[in-house]
Amino acid sequence: QKEVEQNSGPLSVPEGAIASLNCTYSDRVSQSFFWYRQYSGKSPELIMSIYSNGDKEDGRFTAQLNKASQYVSLLIRDSQPSDSATYLCAVNWDDRGSTLGRLYFGRGTQLTVWP
Amino acid sequence: DAGITQSPRHKVTETGTPVTLRCHQTENHRYMYWYRQDPGHGLRLIHYSYGVKDTDKGEVSDGYSVSRSKTEDFLLTLESATSSQTSVYFCAISPLPTGMDSNQPQHFGDGTRLSIL
Repeated sequence: QKEVEQNSGPLSVPEGAIASLNCTYSDRVSQSFFWYRQYSGKSPELIMSIYSNGDKEDGRFTAQLNKASQYVSLLIRDSQPSDSATYLCAVNWDDRGSTLGRLYFGRGTQLTVWP
Repeated sequence: DAGITQSPRHKVTETGTPVTLRCHQTENHRYMYWYRQDPGHGLRLIHYSYGVKDTDKGEVSDGYSVSRSKTEDFLLTLESATSSQTSVYFCAISPLPTGMDSNQPQHFGDGTRLSIL
């Protein structure tokens, strides 16, 4: 059973703070990890991808991957009210079999950034 | 934005009627996916396609069928809609399979909100 777990939140942080979003997954045979942002009533939008252990930074966003501990996180620095959205963690299991091309999503963490 | 158009954007129908949702892409991507999103469940894969006439089931495929006769179009059909199929349906595309050393992300359409009464 391939599972992706996220805290549903809501996570509430003040403007300018660091928001930390966490995601754990169930199987070590993993390859690709993605973070999507979804505003209410809108479609998921890709904001970060990470494939190797360590940190990957893109502007105010940093993704962190630890395959040994089976978790991936997203840090948002200098949080803005416009960052208020649901953040979805997605994992691809590269077992070169039935899961080819599939993404497994967590239920999402709702983030609110208050001014 | 990736050139993905879903139609219709909203639909209300009655239990037992057939429903077809369309996903049209202008990116010439080989891989197309149908997801449903429900509160408390997140996004779940219904069916996906890895080429014209090549499709496979996802995690929640019961009650759904798909067809892909052209690269640009992927149709999702509810043969006899039930209230449990009330959901928001998203189409996604990618040029290569996510994973398999390509690490290609999926990009999503705007969704179809389907209500079955």
